[in-house]
Amino acid sequence: DTGVSQNPRHKITKRGQNVTFRCDPISEHNRLYWYRQTLGQGPEFLTYFQNEAQLEKSRLLSDRFSAERPKGSFSTLEIQRTEQGDSAMYLCASSLMVDVYGYTFGSGTRLTVV
Amino acid sequence: AQSVTQPDIHITVSEGASLELRCNYSYGATPYLFWYVQSPGQGLQLLLKYFSGDTLVQGIKGFEAEFKRSQSSFNLRKPSVHWSDAAEYFCAVGANQGGKLIFGQGTELSVKP
Repeated sequence: DTGVSQNPRHKITKRGQNVTFRCDPISEHNRLYWYRQTLGQGPEFLTYFQNEAQLEKSRLLSDRFSAERPKGSFSTLEIQRTEQGDSAMYLCASSLMVDVYGYTFGSGTRLTVV
Repeated sequence: AQSVTQPDIHITVSEGASLELRCNYSYGATPYLFWYVQSPGQGLQLLLKYFSGDTLVQGIKGFEAEFKRSQSSFNLRKPSVHWSDAAEYFCAVGANQGGKLIFGQGTELSVKP
Protein backbone atom coordinates (compact mmCIF):
# COMPACT_ATOMS: atom_id res chain seq x y z
CA ASP A 1 0.00 0.00 0.00
CA THR A 2 1.76 3.14 -1.24
CA GLY A 3 -0.96 5.57 -0.23
CA VAL A 4 -2.60 8.17 -2.43
CA SER A 5 -0.19 9.62 -4.95
CA GLN A 6 -0.59 13.04 -6.59
CA ASN A 7 1.42 14.50 -9.44
CA PRO A 8 2.89 16.95 -9.89
CA ARG A 9 3.61 18.23 -6.37
CA HIS A 10 3.94 21.79 -7.62
CA LYS A 11 2.77 23.52 -10.75
CA ILE A 12 3.37 27.10 -11.80
CA THR A 13 1.42 28.25 -14.80
CA LYS A 14 0.61 31.47 -16.60
CA ARG A 15 -2.90 32.83 -16.46
CA GLY A 16 -4.96 31.49 -19.31
CA GLN A 17 -3.09 28.20 -19.64
CA ASN A 18 -4.64 24.80 -19.06
CA VAL A 19 -3.33 22.47 -16.37
CA THR A 20 -3.98 18.84 -15.52
CA PHE A 21 -3.33 17.05 -12.26
CA ARG A 22 -3.25 13.33 -11.66
CA CYS A 23 -4.29 11.30 -8.64
CA ASP A 24 -3.54 7.61 -8.11
CA PRO A 25 -5.69 6.27 -5.26
CA ILE A 26 -5.00 3.28 -3.09
CA SER A 27 -5.57 0.44 -5.50
CA GLU A 28 -8.53 -1.27 -3.86
CA HIS A 29 -10.37 1.97 -3.03
CA ASN A 30 -13.51 2.45 -5.10
CA ARG A 31 -14.19 6.09 -4.20
CA LEU A 32 -12.02 9.05 -5.12
CA TYR A 33 -12.45 12.69 -4.10
CA TRP A 34 -11.03 16.05 -5.10
CA TYR A 35 -10.78 19.00 -2.74
CA ARG A 36 -9.31 22.48 -3.04
CA GLN A 37 -7.59 24.23 -0.14
CA THR A 38 -6.55 27.86 -0.02
CA LEU A 39 -4.24 29.36 2.56
CA GLY A 40 -5.73 29.46 6.03
CA GLN A 41 -8.85 27.56 5.03
CA GLY A 42 -10.10 24.01 5.33
CA PRO A 43 -10.39 21.85 2.24
CA GLU A 44 -13.44 22.52 0.06
CA PHE A 45 -15.13 19.64 -1.70
CA LEU A 46 -15.01 19.70 -5.50
CA THR A 47 -16.19 16.33 -6.75
CA TYR A 48 -16.12 12.60 -6.15
CA PHE A 49 -16.31 9.32 -8.02
CA GLN A 50 -17.44 5.85 -7.24
CA ASN A 51 -15.48 3.68 -9.62
CA GLU A 52 -15.74 5.57 -12.93
CA ALA A 53 -19.03 7.32 -12.16
CA GLN A 54 -18.91 10.93 -11.04
CA LEU A 55 -21.49 10.99 -8.25
CA GLU A 56 -21.38 14.57 -7.05
CA LYS A 57 -19.97 17.85 -8.23
CA SER A 58 -19.79 21.02 -6.17
CA ARG A 59 -21.44 24.19 -7.38
CA LEU A 60 -18.04 25.77 -6.71
CA LEU A 61 -16.74 23.87 -9.70
CA SER A 62 -17.02 26.18 -12.66
CA ASP A 63 -17.25 25.02 -16.25
CA ARG A 64 -13.50 25.47 -16.52
CA PHE A 65 -12.97 22.50 -14.21
CA SER A 66 -13.42 18.92 -15.31
CA ALA A 67 -12.53 15.65 -13.65
CA GLU A 68 -12.39 12.13 -14.99
CA ARG A 69 -11.74 8.71 -13.65
CA PRO A 70 -11.48 6.38 -16.64
CA LYS A 71 -11.75 2.70 -15.76
CA GLY A 72 -12.22 3.56 -12.10
CA SER A 73 -8.53 3.75 -11.35
CA PHE A 74 -6.54 7.01 -11.47
CA SER A 75 -8.24 10.35 -11.85
CA THR A 76 -7.35 13.61 -13.56
CA LEU A 77 -8.50 17.12 -12.73
CA GLU A 78 -8.18 19.65 -15.52
CA ILE A 79 -8.50 23.40 -15.18
CA GLN A 80 -8.90 25.31 -18.42
CA ARG A 81 -8.02 28.97 -18.88
CA THR A 82 -6.54 29.27 -15.41
CA GLU A 83 -7.13 32.39 -13.34
CA GLN A 84 -5.17 33.73 -10.40
CA GLY A 85 -8.03 32.71 -8.11
CA ASP A 86 -7.35 29.10 -9.01
CA SER A 87 -4.09 29.22 -7.07
CA ALA A 88 -4.52 26.69 -4.28
CA MET A 89 -3.57 23.25 -3.04
CA TYR A 90 -5.57 20.54 -4.80
CA LEU A 91 -6.02 17.49 -2.64
CA CYS A 92 -7.10 14.03 -3.68
CA ALA A 93 -8.48 11.39 -1.32
CA SER A 94 -9.72 7.86 -1.68
CA SER A 95 -11.81 5.52 0.42
CA LEU A 96 -13.19 2.01 0.59
CA MET A 97 -14.83 1.47 3.97
CA VAL A 98 -14.89 4.90 5.58
CA ASP A 99 -16.31 3.64 8.85
CA VAL A 100 -13.23 1.47 9.25
CA TYR A 101 -10.45 3.30 7.44
CA GLY A 102 -11.72 6.83 6.97
CA TYR A 103 -10.61 8.83 3.96
CA THR A 104 -6.94 8.71 2.92
CA PHE A 105 -5.52 11.93 1.51
CA GLY A 106 -2.61 12.50 -0.81
CA SER A 107 0.01 15.20 -0.28
CA GLY A 108 -1.63 17.48 -2.79
CA THR A 109 -0.65 19.49 -5.86
CA ARG A 110 0.11 23.13 -5.22
CA LEU A 111 -0.94 25.31 -8.15
CA THR A 112 0.37 28.83 -8.58
CA VAL A 113 -1.11 30.92 -11.37
CA VAL A 114 1.04 33.92 -12.30
CA ALA B 1 -26.94 22.32 4.99
CA GLN B 2 -24.05 20.84 6.86
CA SER B 3 -21.43 23.09 8.38
CA VAL B 4 -18.52 22.87 10.78
CA THR B 5 -17.25 25.60 13.05
CA GLN B 6 -13.87 25.61 14.71
CA PRO B 7 -14.05 28.70 16.92
CA ASP B 8 -10.32 28.92 17.64
CA ILE B 9 -8.15 29.91 14.69
CA HIS B 10 -4.90 29.67 16.65
CA ILE B 11 -4.04 28.10 20.00
CA THR B 12 -0.73 28.09 21.84
CA VAL B 13 -0.06 25.60 24.63
CA SER B 14 3.03 24.70 26.60
CA GLU B 15 4.65 21.36 26.04
CA GLY B 16 3.26 18.87 28.53
CA ALA B 17 0.04 20.82 29.03
CA SER B 18 -3.37 19.45 28.15
CA LEU B 19 -5.13 20.42 24.94
CA GLU B 20 -8.73 20.78 23.83
CA LEU B 21 -9.68 21.88 20.31
CA ARG B 22 -13.30 22.77 19.79
CA CYS B 23 -15.54 21.68 16.95
CA ASN B 24 -19.23 22.37 16.48
CA TYR B 25 -21.23 20.98 13.60
CA SER B 26 -24.60 21.60 12.07
CA TYR B 27 -26.42 18.63 10.63
CA GLY B 28 -29.94 17.29 11.03
CA ALA B 29 -29.26 13.59 11.33
CA THR B 30 -26.50 11.59 12.99
CA PRO B 31 -23.27 12.89 11.51
CA TYR B 32 -20.09 11.08 10.73
CA LEU B 33 -17.30 13.09 12.37
CA PHE B 34 -13.58 13.21 11.76
CA TRP B 35 -10.48 14.95 13.00
CA TYR B 36 -7.52 15.36 10.65
CA VAL B 37 -4.08 16.88 11.19
CA GLN B 38 -2.03 18.65 8.54
CA SER B 39 1.63 19.61 8.71
CA PRO B 40 2.85 22.48 6.50
CA GLY B 41 2.76 21.62 2.79
CA GLN B 42 1.43 18.15 3.47
CA GLY B 43 -1.81 16.26 3.04
CA LEU B 44 -4.19 15.38 5.85
CA GLN B 45 -3.69 12.52 8.27
CA LEU B 46 -6.67 10.95 10.00
CA LEU B 47 -6.51 11.20 13.79
CA LEU B 48 -9.86 9.63 14.65
CA LYS B 49 -13.44 9.26 13.52
CA TYR B 50 -16.91 8.76 14.97
CA PHE B 51 -19.67 6.84 13.25
CA SER B 52 -21.74 5.34 16.04
CA GLY B 53 -21.50 3.63 19.39
CA ASP B 54 -19.28 4.84 22.19
CA THR B 55 -19.22 8.62 22.15
CA LEU B 56 -15.63 8.77 23.40
CA VAL B 57 -13.34 7.90 20.53
CA GLN B 58 -9.67 7.07 20.81
CA GLY B 59 -7.31 7.95 18.00
CA ILE B 60 -3.68 7.89 17.07
CA LYS B 61 -0.89 9.85 18.78
CA GLY B 62 -2.73 9.87 22.11
CA PHE B 63 -5.68 11.95 20.90
CA GLU B 64 -9.29 11.38 21.83
CA ALA B 65 -12.57 13.10 21.01
CA GLU B 66 -16.01 13.09 22.54
CA PHE B 67 -19.24 13.30 20.55
CA LYS B 68 -21.91 15.29 22.38
CA ARG B 69 -25.15 15.28 20.45
CA SER B 70 -26.87 17.74 22.78
CA GLN B 71 -24.15 20.31 22.16
CA SER B 72 -23.49 19.40 18.51
CA SER B 73 -19.84 19.16 19.42
CA PHE B 74 -16.92 16.86 18.74
CA ASN B 75 -13.99 18.31 20.68
CA LEU B 76 -10.50 16.91 20.36
CA ARG B 77 -8.38 16.39 23.47
CA LYS B 78 -4.90 15.31 24.43
CA PRO B 79 -3.72 15.08 28.04
CA SER B 80 -0.10 16.06 27.40
CA VAL B 81 1.03 17.89 24.26
CA HIS B 82 4.38 17.21 22.60
CA TRP B 83 6.30 19.70 20.46
CA SER B 84 5.68 17.44 17.44
CA ASP B 85 1.93 18.05 17.78
CA ALA B 86 2.33 21.56 16.37
CA ALA B 87 0.28 21.54 13.17
CA GLU B 88 -3.11 22.51 11.73
CA TYR B 89 -6.11 20.52 12.93
CA PHE B 90 -9.32 20.12 10.96
CA CYS B 91 -12.69 18.85 12.07
CA ALA B 92 -14.96 17.46 9.36
CA VAL B 93 -18.49 16.13 9.05
CA GLY B 94 -19.87 13.67 6.52
CA ALA B 95 -23.55 13.21 5.73
CA ASN B 96 -23.33 9.63 4.61
CA GLN B 97 -20.78 6.89 4.48
CA GLY B 98 -18.40 7.47 1.63
CA GLY B 99 -19.81 10.84 0.61
CA LYS B 100 -18.17 14.23 0.71
CA LEU B 101 -16.69 15.78 3.82
CA ILE B 102 -17.36 19.32 4.99
CA PHE B 103 -14.36 20.76 6.80
CA GLY B 104 -14.02 23.47 9.39
CA GLN B 105 -11.63 26.35 8.91
CA GLY B 106 -8.98 24.67 11.02
CA THR B 107 -7.15 25.44 14.25
CA GLU B 108 -3.45 26.07 14.16
CA LEU B 109 -1.68 24.66 17.19
CA SER B 110 1.61 26.08 18.40
CA VAL B 111 3.56 24.40 21.21
CA LYS B 112 5.80 26.40 23.54
CA PRO B 113 8.87 24.69 24.98
